[in-house]
Amino acid sequence: ETGVTQTPRHLVMGMTNKKSLKCEQHLGHNAMYWYKQSAKKPLELMFVYNFKEQTENNSVPSRFSPECPNSSHLFLHLHTLQPEDSALYLCASSQRTSGAFNEQFFGPGTRLTVL
Amino acid sequence: GQQVMQIPQYQHVQEGEDFTTYCNSSTTLSNIQWYKQRPGGHPVFLIQLVKSGEVKKQKRLTFQFGEAKKNSSLHITATQTTDVGTYFCAGLTGGGNKLTFGTGTQLKVEL
Repeated sequence: ETGVTQTPRHLVMGMTNKKSLKCEQHLGHNAMYWYKQSAKKPLELMFVYNFKEQTENNSVPSRFSPECPNSSHLFLHLHTLQPEDSALYLCASSQRTSGAFNEQFFGPGTRLTVL
Repeated sequence: GQQVMQIPQYQHVQEGEDFTTYCNSSTTLSNIQWYKQRPGGHPVFLIQLVKSGEVKKQKRLTFQFGEAKKNSSLHITATQTTDVGTYFCAGLTGGGNKLTFGTGTQLKVEL
């Protein structure tokens, strides 16, 4: 499946590093999402963008900074992360954010390890 | 805040046995979705239920939405090894724009 792509697929970084995760969707959708998936925890919604505007910030620490330059691209900028931030970060997109047509299409994820 | 719980957390079955996972929300939902995540993979959308009491079938999979729109279930008949993975429900509250994912049920199928 190539509808939603994410790079890099794996990332190892130190706590003082700055890195960015990239997501691109080729489905013509208007909404994009960042999720965090940790072991033994449910998928945690981090951010929602609808038509490039952030509509949801689920109490995410400021060391995670999202950017959505257009409806097809979504970034997650990382700085001064903690080891407990190690997780699979999933990007998703949907045609809309509510009602019908809001089924979400996920990318393959970035496996992040913070040392 | 809204919570969505699933039971069981894990289920091991022999191939050919049936499997059911249950999803319960602390609040009334406008719709509920189900996703499957294979080991090492990402969640893949299976189905969406909108109406109270709705039942939908996809081959061996049967999905139900409760009358009160606070619970849902996924039943797999005669499991196969290809059914292995974690099944998540995800609920959307009325007027909201975010899905709250359930805790997931991990299914293992043994020959």
